[in-house]
Amino acid sequence: AQKVTQAQTEISVVEKEDVTLDCVYETRDTTYYLFWYKQPPSGELVFLIRRNSFDEQNEISGRYSWNFQKSTSSFNFTITASQVVDSAVYFCALSESGSARQLTFGSGTQLTVLP
Amino acid sequence: KAGVTQTPRYLIKTRGQQVTLSCSPISGHRSVSWYQQTPGQGLQFLFEYFSETQRNKGNFPGRFSGRQFSNSRSEMNVSTLELGDSALYLCASSLGGTGLRGSTEAFFGQGTRLTVV
Repeated sequence: AQKVTQAQTEISVVEKEDVTLDCVYETRDTTYYLFWYKQPPSGELVFLIRRNSFDEQNEISGRYSWNFQKSTSSFNFTITASQVVDSAVYFCALSESGSARQLTFGSGTQLTVLP
Repeated sequence: KAGVTQTPRYLIKTRGQQVTLSCSPISGHRSVSWYQQTPGQGLQFLFEYFSETQRNKGNFPGRFSGRQFSNSRSEMNVSTLELGDSALYLCASSLGGTGLRGSTEAFFGQGTRLTVV
């Protein structure tokens, strides 16, 4: 069975601080996908990034960066120089099917960025 | 292009009633997945439809059902509503491929907030 754990329930930071959201996953598959989604108060889940199990190259995109480590089954997400607009719930998700059709989500991390 | 559209946005129903929620995927997307989000259980997968066929189903009772039409629009139905069915129901649209070649992100709608009283 697959499982995604986001141990951090809530994080508060002051604007311009860096913040890392942790995600640990469990799966027996060798082929899988990992995702990060952001959910603002409006409710819509906004796609941020997808990584497949064969691609451990970490990525930086603007203020966002991701650290994928298969050895520790972790897929952490960092926001550099956080902004108030980054305040949202962030979800890590796993798909064993190799596509985004059926996702197993973590419990989410509520990020609050204070001005 | 237009995003995923879910209707209605808000709904209040009485225990025992049934409800139908609608989801229109992004044009060209053939897969529609449904999720239930509650404070206690978080985001849970309900089922997925592709080309009018249910491909996957989560661990929910038979009161939860769905269907997909030839234009890929999908509906989900909940019969004999219970208080615990109060939740945000999210629909996700994707191309529907499988494996590494077909893998793709899922785009979510804003959800339908269902309140059962």
